[in-house]
Amino acid sequence: DAGVIQSPRHEVTEMGQEVTLRCKPISGHDYLFWYRQTMMRGLELLIYFNNNVPIDDSGMPEDRFSAKMPNASFSTLKIQPSEPRDSAVYFCATAPAGGGTAETQYFGPGTRLLVL
Amino acid sequence: GNSVTQMEGPVTLSEEAFLTINCTYTATGYPSLFWYVQYPGEGLQLLLKATKADDKGSNKGFEATYRKETTSFHLEKGSVQVSDSAVYFCALNTGFQKLVFGTGTRLLVSP
Repeated sequence: DAGVIQSPRHEVTEMGQEVTLRCKPISGHDYLFWYRQTMMRGLELLIYFNNNVPIDDSGMPEDRFSAKMPNASFSTLKIQPSEPRDSAVYFCATAPAGGGTAETQYFGPGTRLLVL
Repeated sequence: GNSVTQMEGPVTLSEEAFLTINCTYTATGYPSLFWYVQYPGEGLQLLLKATKADDKGSNKGFEATYRKETTSFHLEKGSVQVSDSAVYFCALNTGFQKLVFGTGTRLLVSP
């Protein structure tokens, strides 16, 4: 299994530009999570999906952030317009259905975003 | 609310030393508890987990016991290696598939 695939691995952009991060989940996993990691705030859950439906987006910082999951094989996290304070590592993680609270989440390698 | 508190790092040890990284939690209900490890430049990987009180999770020489009476899940290893240098995250899951992470503890092991 290829694991969770994220692209790009690194992104450098200028303030005001649109940024799109992509994630391909592990086949058969029903849950998909987007996290942001910074030195100041640690690892934060932004949003998660179950069967392609957004379940909880309470962690999305503001309207500039949006996430979609058009099908079971693909999700995007978009920032428009980007700001320097959005610089962080963004992780996608997926998990299988069932198992209650005990299911393991599998993380992708992350996208390191730098907004100048 | 649900939260996880980890000891601040970095933890600096010599190879073959004993490791303890403390983790305590606050949760409603009966959470599952996890330790994840993040190696430099990589995503988080599950290290071990425990789903109920008194369970012991173990993997790669690491162990942690779910202590309900002290609301703790301390990570231990009897003899660390240089290759164990990483950031370790304690986490809990009380349901709805949401993990709550601690702030992470960086471990540095020198030869």
